Order: sequence, then structure tokens, then C-alpha cells
Amino acid sequence: DTEVTQTPKHLVMGMTNKKSLKCEQHMGHRAMYWYKQKAKKPPELMFVYSYEKLSINESVPSRFSPECPNSSLLNLHLHALQPEDSALYLCASSPQEGLAGTEAFFGQGTRLTVV
Amino acid sequence: DAKTTQPTSMDCAEGRAANLPCNHSTISGNEYVYWYRQIHSQGPQYIIHGLKNNETNEMASLIITEDRKSSTLILPHATLRDTAVYYCIVRDTGTYKYIFGTGTRLKVLA
Repeated sequence: DTEVTQTPKHLVMGMTNKKSLKCEQHMGHRAMYWYKQKAKKPPELMFVYSYEKLSINESVPSRFSPECPNSSLLNLHLHALQPEDSALYLCASSPQEGLAGTEAFFGQGTRLTVV
Repeated sequence: DAKTTQPTSMDCAEGRAANLPCNHSTISGNEYVYWYRQIHSQGPQYIIHGLKNNETNEMASLIITEDRKSSTLILPHATLRDTAVYYCIVRDTGTYKYIFGTGTRLKVLA
């Protein structure tokens, strides 16, 4: 099973709302990633978790708050977003952060619209 | 920053081989080359990766030049379902980030 599951598939939220994106994998991977992808652009790395600890934060605004409650689950908490934050949010996992020659598997993404 | 450059777009006739080039002239000795593709509005799909030897799997072949400064992804018999954006990624050995470049938009024509 090489599946990374993201929920919800679509989300519309107001600028004052609080919502969360969820990502789950059962491959025993210990590195998990959040990416943001705007239309017609490549995915941009936001966060990396390694063994449930935040390893990399690519200077993401604090209105995005990641959480890794266990080795299978990754959340992205959203608060006070702006319309320009509307994008496809992708989750990925790989066996270990520092292990060369291993591939990452991506979920199908959550299409977020901020109104 | 991405360590790869790719052509913006390519066309390929259905049933023919699609050869997608990638330049990674600053690649380090222990950095792997990865290929992913993204079909419209879906998550990126892993295709293949390699270090220095040529690699083949059920989806594609990866040819890496001897100096490792460039590579080519080969889809041997392209179908309409192979229409997608193809990303070549060199994974940074310091941070192990998967950083996407701009990719090649491949259109397979009937």
C-alpha cells in the first residue's frame, strides 16, 4: 500500500474561520511533508516532519500551523487565511528524512478556497 | 532553489517514445535524480529515480549521462493518459528536501 490519504478533498472557508487539513499514511514512513501548489506552478515545500518533530519550516506564515500527533497522521491547522492562500495543499511521506535514494509518495491534495 | 532545468513543453505522438530531458549540472556525487508526474489537479505521482546507473521499471526508463549532469526520462510507448507535467528533481543531500522545478508539460497527441 503506497497510499497517502488527504481529507477533505475540497474546502471552502471564510477568512475568519478555523479549519484543519488531515493527511494519513500507513506505510511506516517517518518523514511527512506539506506542500502548497498554486495554479500552473510547481509544488512549494512548506513543512517537513521527521519522527513526529518539525524539522523544516520554509518561513511559512503563522496562520498555517502544522501538527504531527503520531507517526501516521499529519495535520495542517488553518486560521485567519487570506484569499491568496487559496491553493492545492499536498501531503507527502517518505521512509526517513535523511535517507538518500528513497522516494516520497504524495496524496491527491486538498483544494482550498478562501472567501 | 530547484537544481534542475527542463523544457517548458513538449509534444509526442501516441504510441511513440517520449524523451524528456533534464539538466542538473550542479548535482553532487551522492544526490539522486527523481522523476514525478502530475496529471491535472492530482497529486504528483512517483515514476522513477536513479543515482548513476540507468534504471527501468514498468512505467519508464531513466538514462543518466556518465558525468551525471543531465538525464532523460523515456516513456517507451506514450498514450493519451501520459499527458501531464513531468518534474525532474534532484534531492538536496544537506536537507533532503524534494524541491520541484518548473517541469515539462507533455502533451501526447492522437
